[in-house]
Amino acid sequence: SQQGEEDPQALSIQEGENATMNCSYKTSINNLQWYRQNSGRGLVHLILIRSNEREKHSGRLRVTLDTSKKSSSLLITASRAADTASYFCATALLNDYKLSFGAGTTVTVRA
Amino acid sequence: DGGITQSPKYLFRKEGQNVTLSCEQNLNHDAMYWYRQDPGQGLRLIYYSQIVNDFQKGDIAEGYSVSREKKESFPLTVTSAQKNPTAFYLCASSTDQQTGNTEAFFGQGTRLTVV
Repeated sequence: SQQGEEDPQALSIQEGENATMNCSYKTSINNLQWYRQNSGRGLVHLILIRSNEREKHSGRLRVTLDTSKKSSSLLITASRAADTASYFCATALLNDYKLSFGAGTTVTVRA
Repeated sequence: DGGITQSPKYLFRKEGQNVTLSCEQNLNHDAMYWYRQDPGQGLRLIYYSQIVNDFQKGDIAEGYSVSREKKESFPLTVTSAQKNPTAFYLCASSTDQQTGNTEAFFGQGTRLTVV
């Protein structure tokens, strides 16, 4: 079974708007990661947040982590057409090499 | 250029055939992974390997086999026992997930179709 579940499944926004997606998970984690996938391609790592961190920024990306609620959010600010992609969260458990992915959020940015 | 390379990009398999998907990395990573992705779905873990000559089953290992004879290589064989093999297969590598300090690097995928 998948550890992480993203919400919403799909998101359509206008260029320049912000996009927010959420990830919930079931068990205690070592870290949580966000990836982007363009259609028919491999995944690209965006950002990693450790279990003892609450917020992290990278360019137009902001990730939060709430371990008490077992949830994370990814915010993309000032979206661009190039941000159109699927976004996945992935969790790494303590003392385990497994990296488990959710089903993803498909983001469409309209020009 | 450092990276992870999957081949072939497209693969067609006849019913009852075994096929092998190649995955090579020159990143000197210890851990390697195979995932399966069905249309509109997330990634499901097939097998992973933390070290040479060792590998572990993931969530959907039935009908698949792997080997890890070299650090750089982690081939996946889709056997005839896999009843629904048509999917997009992704290979990934990482340095040390246990420390929580690293990311996974992905290949560009192999699209397998049963004909």
